[in-house]
Amino acid sequence: AQSVAQPEDQVNVAEGNPLTVKCTYSVSGNPYLFWYVQYPNRGLQFLLKYITGDNLVKGSYGFEAEFNKSQTSFHLKKPSALVSDSALYFCAVRGSQGNLIFGKGTKLSVKP
Amino acid sequence: DAGVTQSPTHLIKTRGQQVTLRCSPKSGHDTVSWYQQALGQGPQFIFQYYEEEERQRGNFPDRFSGHQFPNYSSELNVNALLLGDSALYLCASSYLLRGTYGYTFGSGTRLTVV
Repeated sequence: AQSVAQPEDQVNVAEGNPLTVKCTYSVSGNPYLFWYVQYPNRGLQFLLKYITGDNLVKGSYGFEAEFNKSQTSFHLKKPSALVSDSALYFCAVRGSQGNLIFGKGTKLSVKP
Repeated sequence: DAGVTQSPTHLIKTRGQQVTLRCSPKSGHDTVSWYQQALGQGPQFIFQYYEEEERQRGNFPDRFSGHQFPNYSSELNVNALLLGDSALYLCASSYLLRGTYGYTFGSGTRLTVV
């Protein structure tokens, strides 16, 4: 069965420091992977996706993600965190019929 | 930017009632999917509509039903509401069934069942 795991419920980072939000996946075949961000009482905003090609994917707002096939991981990264990055982050994989399968989410807290 | 539009934004219903939520997809998108996001959880797939037909369905009871119109807009209907149906309902649109070009989400409808 296809699944996504986000092992950390919360990640705390100081402003200006690099951040990493972890995601591992389990799929048959080649994965289509996504990161979304959700601000309080809002829908999901697309950050980036991996379909094929370079293992380092660049996305919106300075975020990037590294696809690692051997470790079945797709960690979200940013070189320098902002307070405004504080939000809920979801990793997702595309299911066999085109639906998205989400992780449970990781709350990112960036302190000044 | 004509993104995904959902209505209403908030709704309060009583147990046993029925509710209809609406979604207009992003311009150029022809596939609409619905997700339920309970508090503190990731979104869970309800079903997907393409060419006015339900194409696939997640693990949700028959109380959850939907419809897609010729203009690609969609409705989600929930009958016999339970307290556990309280959640944020998200609509996502994409181009073609497999979503190769990505999915765009609306801001959601917050349903509270009392």
